[in-house]
Amino acid sequence: GAVVSQHPSWVICKSGTSVKIECRSLDFQATTMFWYRQFPKQSLMLMATSNEGSKATYEQGVEKDKFLINHASLTLSTLTVTSAHPEDSSFYICSAGTGGRTNEKLFFGSGTQLSVL
Amino acid sequence: DAKTTQPNSMESNEEEPVHLPCNHSTISGTDYIHWYRQLPSQGPEYVIHGLTSNVNNRMASLAIAEDRKSSTLILHRATLRDAAVYYCILKTYDKVIFGPGTSLSVIP
Repeated sequence: GAVVSQHPSWVICKSGTSVKIECRSLDFQATTMFWYRQFPKQSLMLMATSNEGSKATYEQGVEKDKFLINHASLTLSTLTVTSAHPEDSSFYICSAGTGGRTNEKLFFGSGTQLSVL
Repeated sequence: DAKTTQPNSMESNEEEPVHLPCNHSTISGTDYIHWYRQLPSQGPEYVIHGLTSNVNNRMASLAIAEDRKSSTLILHRATLRDAAVYYCILKTYDKVIFGPGTSLSVIP
């Protein structure tokens, strides 16, 4: 089956630094990728949707200048948390699809646990 | 908005069937019903999806009401490895929104 690889699995950083999370589709071309964040005991919250070669669409309340998303190729999307602060500590998950058809499965990365000190 | 409602939690005895319900009264004609599950500290995993007809795969069965306003995920014999949060979502073209899901506990 299709695989989405997400790295790193966990990262600890100091407040004020930036952290980049990568999401790769290993055996298919991901024209659409979704980025979620998840707090403990809560559901996944959609942050943004990115399509290859175009700007990401951010959900209401998500700061686009703080959470930079790049989807430069059909197999790679990155999320950069800029000037991270403790309140950005969360579990970040990416998901990839092949084009937005409603019947296609979504494949998820294994998630990145970010801890900001 | 999640567009689906599910019970917060359910329990099942090991090796017994489990029926996980989902209501989606505002479903549109082109929305597929998808189910995913998530183990702690992992990304969600695909379980099953369907449009109108009931669906079966090696993991589960999906029963869809005739009016499509509700569906039920059926695990035929629950195992301890099935303990997870199960999410029912309506997949539209532009985004995928998760609701709170149902936390399934399996009792040995």
